[in-house]
Amino acid sequence: ETGVTQTPRHLVMGMTNKKSLKCEQHLGHNAMYWYKQSAKKPLELMFVYSLEERVENNSVPSRFSPECPNSSHLFLHLHTLQPEDSALYLCASSPRVADTAYEQYFGPGTRLTVT
Amino acid sequence: GQNIDQPTEMTATEGAIVQINCTYQTSGFNGLFWYQQHAGEAPTFLSYNVLDGLEEKGRFSSFLSRSKGYSYLLLKELQMKDSASYLCAVKDSNYQLIWGAGTKLIIKP
Repeated sequence: ETGVTQTPRHLVMGMTNKKSLKCEQHLGHNAMYWYKQSAKKPLELMFVYSLEERVENNSVPSRFSPECPNSSHLFLHLHTLQPEDSALYLCASSPRVADTAYEQYFGPGTRLTVT
Repeated sequence: GQNIDQPTEMTATEGAIVQINCTYQTSGFNGLFWYQQHAGEAPTFLSYNVLDGLEEKGRFSSFLSRSKGYSYLLLKELQMKDSASYLCAVKDSNYQLIWGAGTKLIIKP
């Protein structure tokens, strides 16, 4: 148990559906992250939030839309996804963004399958 | 571009020692991290190196040479539960983590 929870753990959706992934951290951290993990590929950083403000958006397609209503919660809204978007989506948090020593704490991920 | 290289898969025997290497080329360096990830689970933090040398933590040790852009994770007295993927990541000059693709470690009895 890392103090970061994600729901749902598994999601199957059609290309025309709209769904949302939820992440919650109980660690009092100020930074939250969305990553995409595909088989045998490095983790891809998607979005970074610091104190509810988006500070990084790594050329992610607009069919992925993040939302951070407060420093404990992070959402990833999904719409009109493609089969290549099937992957494990990981949420992480850390005390601050620009900090050398602090590690990131990860949630268990949502396994997304787009049909 | 930025790049982290580590072997795709390694096999070792229970009770033995294994060394997982990681080489990196990044824009700046603000530390190197090793994470462990069991199948279907979250990555969990193992170690952090920012200065050259060896950091020991129980059965696990991590080494860094900044001049060579090189690190390794050393696992001693291997146990079956050590079967997992091991991820190497470097914090670049923008404090972003750049990740390797991970090394899948298979432990055999």
